Amino acid sequence: QKEVEQDPGPLSVPEGAIVSLNCTYSNSAFQYFMWYRQYSRKGPELLMYTYSSGNKEDGRFTAQVDKSSKYISLFIRDSQPSDSATYLCAMRATSGTYKYIFGTGTRLKVLA
Amino acid sequence: EAGVAQSPRYKIIEKRQSVAFWCNPISGHATLYWYQQILGQGPKLLIQFQNNGVVDDSQLPKDRFSAERLKGVDSTLKIQPAKLEDSAVYLCASSFRGTSTDTQYFGPGTRLTVL
Repeated sequence: QKEVEQDPGPLSVPEGAIVSLNCTYSNSAFQYFMWYRQYSRKGPELLMYTYSSGNKEDGRFTAQVDKSSKYISLFIRDSQPSDSATYLCAMRATSGTYKYIFGTGTRLKVLA
Repeated sequence: EAGVAQSPRYKIIEKRQSVAFWCNPISGHATLYWYQQILGQGPKLLIQFQNNGVVDDSQLPKDRFSAERLKGVDSTLKIQPAKLEDSAVYLCASSFRGTSTDTQYFGPGTRLTVL
C-alpha cells in the first residue's frame, strides 16, 4: 500500500464548477499537508499549506484535513480554464528529515 | 526574488551514456532537494542536502546516481550509466532551513529522455 493515494483522473469540469480533489494516507505521523499545482512542463508551485486537522481558505481555494479519517481535500470554487493543471498533494511528518511524500497528482481540465 | 534555476531544461541521451543536471537554489536557502518525477507519478525524493551535507539519500540509486553540493550553494546530479527507466523529469527544490514548517520551492525541472 502506498503511503499517499490520489486519484490520477483526468477530471473534466465546466467553467464555474466546484472541484473537489482528494488524497488519503496511511502514516499517522503526517502532520503537515500541502497542495501543489503543476502546469504542463513546469515545476510544482505551492497552493495551500495546512497543519493538523481543520480547514483553511485562500480565495477560491479551501483545504480540508480530517486526520481521524486520514483524508485531505482541496476545493476549488468558480473554477476557471486557468485552473487546468495537475494537482499534487504532499505531506510530511514533524520529525526526522521532514521528507515530503507526494501523491501521484490529479489532472484537472476546466472547460470554457 | 529569483526562483530555483535548473539547466538544461531538456536532455536526450542513449542508454549507458552519462548525464549531469545543474541546480541553483533560491539565494539564502540552506536546504536543497533533488526529486525524480516519472510520467504520471508524483515527485520522489532522491537526495536532500543541508548546506553541503547530505541529510537523506535513502532513495538515491547509488550505483549509478551521484550528487554533490559544493560550497553549500549550487548542486549537480549525475547519472552514469543511464538506463531506460531513468527517463523522467528531475526537479530541484530548495527551502530556507529544511525544518518542519519550511516551504519547498521547485524549479522548472530537467526532462530526461533515455533512448
